[in-house]
Amino acid sequence: EAGVTQSPTHLIKTRGQQATLRCSPISGHTSVYWYQQALGLGLQFLLWYDEGEERNRGNFPPRFSGRQFPNYSSELNVNALELEDSALYLCASSLETGVRSPLHFGNGTRLTVT
Amino acid sequence: EDQVTQSPEALRLQEGESSSLNCSYTVSGLRGLFWYRQDPGKGPEFLFTLYSAGEEKEKERLKATLTKKESFLHITAPKPEDSATYLCAVQRGNNNDMRFGAGTRLTVKP
Repeated sequence: EAGVTQSPTHLIKTRGQQATLRCSPISGHTSVYWYQQALGLGLQFLLWYDEGEERNRGNFPPRFSGRQFPNYSSELNVNALELEDSALYLCASSLETGVRSPLHFGNGTRLTVT
Repeated sequence: EDQVTQSPEALRLQEGESSSLNCSYTVSGLRGLFWYRQDPGKGPEFLFTLYSAGEEKEKERLKATLTKKESFLHITAPKPEDSATYLCAVQRGNNNDMRFGAGTRLTVKP
């Protein structure tokens, strides 16, 4: 069974630019989650998508947005990049909502903003 | 406010020296507590789910336990390959998002 895949592995952007990160969940998983892991900080919840809808978002500004496609893959967009957006962005998927399903993570996209 | 606190922040053990990691939590409507292992440059790898106080789960040298206020991850006779950051997370209420602790960075020396 293929795991959660994320692309690109690394991304270097300049302050003020936009970044797009992509995620493919495990086959059969309908929920996708995005987390930010900045250096020295724990995982911070960004966004949760299920069945194409945004279900919940964490305490991040609106320039962090995303979407989920009909095939359940997902995209995270970060507009007007700031230096402090440099972090590892992790995508996770789970089997379904409403049950105690663990999250299964990809290996992340390392975003560097210069 | 919901909180997840892990201790210690870092732990150095000799190979074979057993120890425990702690995860204390204050959360309303706990649905589940999860343990993950994260290696450098990788995403977290799922280890255990615990649902109710008194529950225990085991996998190789790891055993996780849960009370109403905290969870322990016991590591018995660790090996160098157990070196990693161990994260605990709580799933709460009707939200599916998980709140993570900051992790315990474990180093096992041969």
